[in-house]
Amino acid sequence: QQQVKQSPQSLIVQKGGISIINCAYENTAFDYFPWYQQFPGKGPALLIAIRPDVSEKKEGRFTISFNKSAKQFSLHIMDSQPGDSATYFCAAEWSGTASKLTFGTGTRLQVTL
Amino acid sequence: GAVVSQHPSWVICKSGTSVKIECRSLDFQATTMFWYRQFPKQSLMLMATSNEGSKATYEQGVEKDKFLINHASLTLSTLTVTSAHPEDSSFYICSAPYAGGRGDTQYFGPGTRLTVL
Repeated sequence: QQQVKQSPQSLIVQKGGISIINCAYENTAFDYFPWYQQFPGKGPALLIAIRPDVSEKKEGRFTISFNKSAKQFSLHIMDSQPGDSATYFCAAEWSGTASKLTFGTGTRLQVTL
Repeated sequence: GAVVSQHPSWVICKSGTSVKIECRSLDFQATTMFWYRQFPKQSLMLMATSNEGSKATYEQGVEKDKFLINHASLTLSTLTVTSAHPEDSSFYICSAPYAGGRGDTQYFGPGTRLTVL
């Protein structure tokens, strides 16, 4: 019930391409879905987040698509750049758990020239 | 705003010694902080919830006597790894929720790399 499944485990995209990472959850009580970007040896940094009352949120090159009925959400990185090469984690939170996050397993993205 | 710092950024210690890691919210107050550990190429695993002025709440399977947490003030939480052993070597990361906008957002510290020899 608390699990967040993330795919793919790794992803190689050419510069300028679109990177797509998918997540699925089971607990319908989750009401906040952030994405984090982590570079090696660094802490995760919040990238973008969405709540279930909207189906899409866009910030610059990053877009979250949210499908409440399917209990799925995805991150799209448009015009992917080598500097985007990092590990991406989706997460889910239930406001009733005092901001406790459940993380996906992570996707290692490599953007090639 | 919403900056979380950790100290030290890395530490090497001998087996059997104790190590203290500090987590500070620099520009906001946090009544709650979270401690995670992360093994190489793995996801973050929540260890415990640190509560200001009260006892920490530990996740199942985490030894509370081994990982001592003290939330001394609204801006500081400490994690002490007692009697550290090589299997405790890991990347320890703290986070704090920052209230703003439509709800709390977790901000993470830069992490502390612990190596136990």
